[in-house]
Amino acid sequence: EAQVTQNPRYLITVTGKKLTVTCSQNMNHEYMSWYRQDPGLGLRQIYYSMNVEVTDKGDVPEGYKVSRKEKRNFPLILESPSPNQTSLYFCASSLYFPGLGGNQPQHFGDGTRLSIL
Amino acid sequence: DAKTTQPNSMESNEEEPVHLPCNHSTISGTDYIHWYRQLPSQGPEYVIHGLTSNVNNRMASLAIAEDRKSSTLILHRATLRDAAVYYCILIRGSQGNLIFGKGTKLSVKP
Repeated sequence: EAQVTQNPRYLITVTGKKLTVTCSQNMNHEYMSWYRQDPGLGLRQIYYSMNVEVTDKGDVPEGYKVSRKEKRNFPLILESPSPNQTSLYFCASSLYFPGLGGNQPQHFGDGTRLSIL
Repeated sequence: DAKTTQPNSMESNEEEPVHLPCNHSTISGTDYIHWYRQLPSQGPEYVIHGLTSNVNNRMASLAIAEDRKSSTLILHRATLRDAAVYYCILIRGSQGNLIFGKGTKLSVKP
C-alpha cells in the first residue's frame, strides 16, 4: 500500500532533549516536506526537499533540522526542543516538486503529536 | 507567493450541495489552484486541482472564474464524512514550497 509513515505518532519529552521524528515513503517520490499545525495558525511548512541531498527552508524552519540522504526517508530533527515546538507535525511527499506541471498531489502521513515540557 | 482568502467556516445540510469559495485576486497566469481537505484527526488529503477550465473528479468539482481571481469547490451531495477543513492553495510553476493558510471549516448537519 502506498503510504507516508511517520514515527512516533505521539511523544512527550522535555526541553533540550534531542529528538528525531522519522518519515518514510514507499512511492519513490522525489519531493518530501514537513509541516507543523497549530490551533488558529493552520498548516505551516518547516522544510522541504526536492530530491536527495537537496533541502530548503519553508516558512518556519527555526529550531529544526532535516536531512535527505536517501529518497525514501526525510527525518525531522529537533536538536534542542523547546515548549514552543509543541505541535502536530505532518510529513508529506509527491512524485515531483509541487510546481512541476502544477499537478503534483501531496500525500500526507497521519501526523506526530509532540509535547515538549 | 500569491495569497488565497477563504471563509473561516461554513455549514451545510446532509445530501445538499456545498459551494466552498476561494478568492485569489493576485493569481498569476501560471498558478495552479489546488484544494485539499483535512478530516478530523487525519493528515490533509488532495481533493482536486485546475488551471483555467472547470474540473470534475470522483470527490468534487472545481469551478474557476473566467478571470481566475476566484474559484469554488463544489461537493454535489454533502455527507457527514465531508465535515473537514478545506484548503485552497496556489502553486506556481517553479515553486518548491506550499502555503496552506487556515482553510474553511465545513460542518455538515444531519
